[in-house]
Amino acid sequence: SQTIHQWPATLVQPVGSPLSLECTVEGTSNPNLYWYRQAAGRGLQLLFYSVGIGQISSEVPQNLSASRPQDRQFILSSKKLLLSDSGFYLCAWSKGSDLGYTFGSGTRLTVV
Amino acid sequence: SQQGEEDPQALSIQEGENATMNCSYKTSINNLQWYRQNSGRGLVHLILIRSNEREKHSGRLRVTLDTSKKSSSLLITASRAADTASYFCATEGGSYIPTFGRGTSLIVHP
Repeated sequence: SQTIHQWPATLVQPVGSPLSLECTVEGTSNPNLYWYRQAAGRGLQLLFYSVGIGQISSEVPQNLSASRPQDRQFILSSKKLLLSDSGFYLCAWSKGSDLGYTFGSGTRLTVV
Repeated sequence: SQQGEEDPQALSIQEGENATMNCSYKTSINNLQWYRQNSGRGLVHLILIRSNEREKHSGRLRVTLDTSKKSSSLLITASRAADTASYFCATEGGSYIPTFGRGTSLIVHP
């Protein structure tokens, strides 16, 4: 069966520090991968998506970047965190349209 | 920009009652999906309804889609305290990227 792993679950980082959040998928190949951010009491904002290794599409210009070094690995990064980067980050995967999306358990990032 | 918008923003009911949540969207879609999120957790896919479908059932869940009104509803029958969560609709259009609303917060009192 397919599973998605996302870590860490919580993270407290100082302003100006780097960030690396990792997401891996098991049990499937060539998934579409997504990074979302959810602010408190708000909906999900799509940050990046990838349809293949090395292919990254950015939805919102910001202080973050994403990479897909392997087929089932998706990484969210920042060189210097801002206070506004705080939020709940969710990774998700899908095999295509009409098939729904499977989400990881999320990372709560607090920038102090 | 967010496509789907859920209504109401918050819903509080007693166990055993039915809960109805609505979702409205603005542009044409290929499908509409409903998700559930427990506090501090990831989203769980509940049900997907395609644009050529009008109603779908899954257990105690019933989803309707009215493309002429650009709206959908999620009905949870005989609610339980364990149904307490936030519920999101997501629309998928030509880009095959889902866009989510802000969600409905459901509280079911035992």
